[in-house]
Amino acid sequence: SQKIEQNSEALNIQEGKTATLTCNYTNYSPAYLQWYRQDPGRGPVFLLLIRENEKEKRKERLKVTFDTTLKQSLFHITASQPADSATYLCALVWAGNMLTFGGGTRLMVKP
Amino acid sequence: DVKVTQSSRYLVKRTGEKVFLECVQDMDHENMFWYRQDPGLGLRLIYFSYDVKMKEKGDIPEGYSVSREKKERFSLILESASTNQTSMYLCASSPRLRGRPNYGYTFGSGTRLTVV
Repeated sequence: SQKIEQNSEALNIQEGKTATLTCNYTNYSPAYLQWYRQDPGRGPVFLLLIRENEKEKRKERLKVTFDTTLKQSLFHITASQPADSATYLCALVWAGNMLTFGGGTRLMVKP
Repeated sequence: DVKVTQSSRYLVKRTGEKVFLECVQDMDHENMFWYRQDPGLGLRLIYFSYDVKMKEKGDIPEGYSVSREKKERFSLILESASTNQTSMYLCASSPRLRGRPNYGYTFGSGTRLTVV
């Protein structure tokens, strides 16, 4: 069966360090992979998209990698700040328009 | 900026009531979606629509229906609310993603529905 797995345990890091979140998937052949941020009680907010033929994408302090052989994406936040504390969701795009979400990983950045 | 507006942030309804959740987007997006989000279960797709009057079932359509009479509006209907439909409901929209690789979904702020 198809699965998207993110670490359900919260990730706690110190301010200024790099946070790395993992997204693994099985039995998908996604065309794109997306990352979203979700704050408590709010809807997810789109951050970045990476295509299957891209190895890496950057946006300001964010970096995403996509390894279709390992079926894994890594999401990095460099120089993390307490304001980066949130839940981060990965999502696979398949069949042109459909998005399937992972369960999300909560990131806590401590000052 | 694209805005997706959900009509209510919080709703409390009684078991057996018919419930309407409304969603409006202002960017002429073709696709609209309804998800529910529950702790430990993540986001689950209820229904989606890729055009006016078109609808497709998602992963958990039972107990729900939808209506899309205008491109900008997508309504979720709980025919007879039950306590297991207590959840956070999220509406989203997107352009057709094929050929437009830099777009994600735009979500509304959500409606927290409690059925008592």
